[in-house]
Amino acid sequence: DTGVSQNPRHKITKRGQNVTFRCDPISEHNRLYWYRQTLGQGPEFLTYFQNEAQLEKSRLLSDRFSAERPKGSFSTLEIQRTEQGDSAMYLCASSLQGRFYEQYFGPGTRLTVT
Amino acid sequence: AQKVTQAQTEISVVEKEDVTLDCVYETRDTTYYLFWYKQPPSGELVFLIRRNSFDEQNEISGRYSWNFQKSTSSFNFTITASQVVDSAVYFCALSDRNSGNTPLVFGKGTRLSVIA
Repeated sequence: DTGVSQNPRHKITKRGQNVTFRCDPISEHNRLYWYRQTLGQGPEFLTYFQNEAQLEKSRLLSDRFSAERPKGSFSTLEIQRTEQGDSAMYLCASSLQGRFYEQYFGPGTRLTVT
Repeated sequence: AQKVTQAQTEISVVEKEDVTLDCVYETRDTTYYLFWYKQPPSGELVFLIRRNSFDEQNEISGRYSWNFQKSTSSFNFTITASQVVDSAVYFCALSDRNSGNTPLVFGKGTRLSVIA
């Protein structure tokens, strides 16, 4: 069991640029979640997928954010026209559908927008 | 709406002291789950425990113990004989039926520093 992996681990970008992060869940997990964690705060839910379907999106997910899980395996989170307020740790988690309460987290991608 | 409050922002203890991290939650649902996660400096969230709302038994795992009290909507976490390796940020979280039983609602965390 390789766990949840996320790439890149760190990303520094200039304001206005687009960035894309990738999450590879645990192989048999059909649910995948994205959370955002800013400094000094707990993680906040952004969106989740069950297989390929995006079932829920938080109001935090502005129209500059888009997430996909095209084949029900890995997922990407894209931020367009980044702003300094997007600087945060982006966490991915996965779970089995019937065991939603066992979410396994990846190491996160730390985004810094300069 | 769901809410998790961790009133202690930072705690500092000397090694071998016991320490309790407080967690108070709000939910309108009768079915919910409560969690504790540890986030060491490396950043990865490590799952520690899950309790469902129907199980109020306290739990002990080694030096860790948890006290769940529905009457006060609290789910406190105690570390006995703390060690330097316990230094981390600890998050309490809630998942209930109103949130679709899927996303976790986290508190702001308590940063624990254990000094040798």
